[in-house]
Order: sequence, then C-alpha cells, then structure tokens
Amino acid sequence: GQQVMQIPQYQHVQEGEDFTTYCNSSTTLSNIQWYKQRPGGHPVFLIQLVKSGEVKKQKRLTFQFGEAKKNSSLHITATQTTDVGTYFCAVGVGNYGGSQGNLIFGKGTKLSVKP
Amino acid sequence: GAGVSQSPSNKVTEKGKDVELRCDPISGHTALYWYRQSLGQGLEFLIYFQGNSAPDKSGLPSDRFSAERTGGSVSTLTIQRTQQEDSAVYLCASSFGAFGKQFFGPGTRLTVL
Repeated sequence: GQQVMQIPQYQHVQEGEDFTTYCNSSTTLSNIQWYKQRPGGHPVFLIQLVKSGEVKKQKRLTFQFGEAKKNSSLHITATQTTDVGTYFCAVGVGNYGGSQGNLIFGKGTKLSVKP
Repeated sequence: GAGVSQSPSNKVTEKGKDVELRCDPISGHTALYWYRQSLGQGLEFLIYFQGNSAPDKSGLPSDRFSAERTGGSVSTLTIQRTQQEDSAVYLCASSFGAFGKQFFGPGTRLTVL
C-alpha cells in the first residue's frame, strides 16, 4: 500500500534557527497535506499542495511540492517556541477528484525549540 | 459551528471488557476517519467512512475492532475484549468530501488495565 517516509524523526533547534522536514514517496502523489500537532493536542490542518512544483507560504512557513510530485518539504524560518510540536505530512490514496479517498499520514517530525 | 467532538474523553477499562467510542463529526462533512495514536507515535489509520459506508477498513488491527456510522453523521468505534496493547488515544476526524482537509476531534484516551 501507499507509504510515505518523513524525515527527520526528531529535530532540536535553538530559537531563531531554521527547520525543515521532508516527506518522500516512491510513487507519484495526487496531493499532499501538512498538519501540526502541539504537545497534548490533536492534529491541525496547515495546508494542501496539489500542483507539481507548487510553493505556498504562511508567514514563516514555506511548503513545497516537488516537480515529480513524489516529495514535499516544510521549512520554518527563524523558529519560535510556539513552533514546538509534531509536523505530519499526509498523502492522498485513491482517485483524487473522485468520491472516495483517504489520507495516509507520515510518522511525523517532532520539533523542539530551545529558548 | 461546533467542531468534531468525541466521547468519552478518557476511558479506563479492564482487560477483556468491551468499549465503545463515539465521534460526532462537523455537520455536513461526508467523510469520517478513525485513527489510533500511541504515546509519542504517529497516526495509525483504522477506518474511514464516506457517508454510511466504509470503503476502506484495511487499518482495523483485528476482528475485535469494528465501527459503524449512522445517518451520515455519528460514528462509533467498538473494541471487544480489550487488550493492554489497545491502550492509546483514538482520534476521529471529518472532512467535506474525499481528500478534504481533515478536522480532528480532541480524542479519547483509552487505558486498558
């Protein structure tokens, strides 16, 4: 079945440093979503990427979808303590645009930020 | 409007007992998903519903796990003869249509003694 590799598993940074997490698949993806889960909380949707080479920005967060639609990255510039949490990518399984489909989540990258 | 709600928020049970977990999705969301998350781990997909039907049950760990959805709304996840390895947080999510962004509930923390 569809699998997605997410690296690194953990990342410890000093506040102000940049952070990047990567999501890789062996197959072409129809779409990819990113979620953030704060400690003790539940996952919250951040963004969805659909187009090849797509780049989207949300303040200090930059999301990219690879040209071949097999990988994606989330980059945070100048991390803050509020960025602490686990970042998950999720890939669509099924016929995108159809009536049925599901998401498979990566194992996540746990980010800790030292003040 | 209200978000996804789940009940109970915490459940402690004895090994061998049955438990029922409930999820109330966002009104109008056609897709509903169940996941399991062990401490410090990722999200393990269990089952998803499109309307009242479950196109994908591949994630259910064993035949002790079952789920249903009625009226295209509320869903229940039932675990029979619970085992200690069933201890985890069970998360429910809903979305408007397939591949839509998922809105998660707060989860049910299940502890099997």
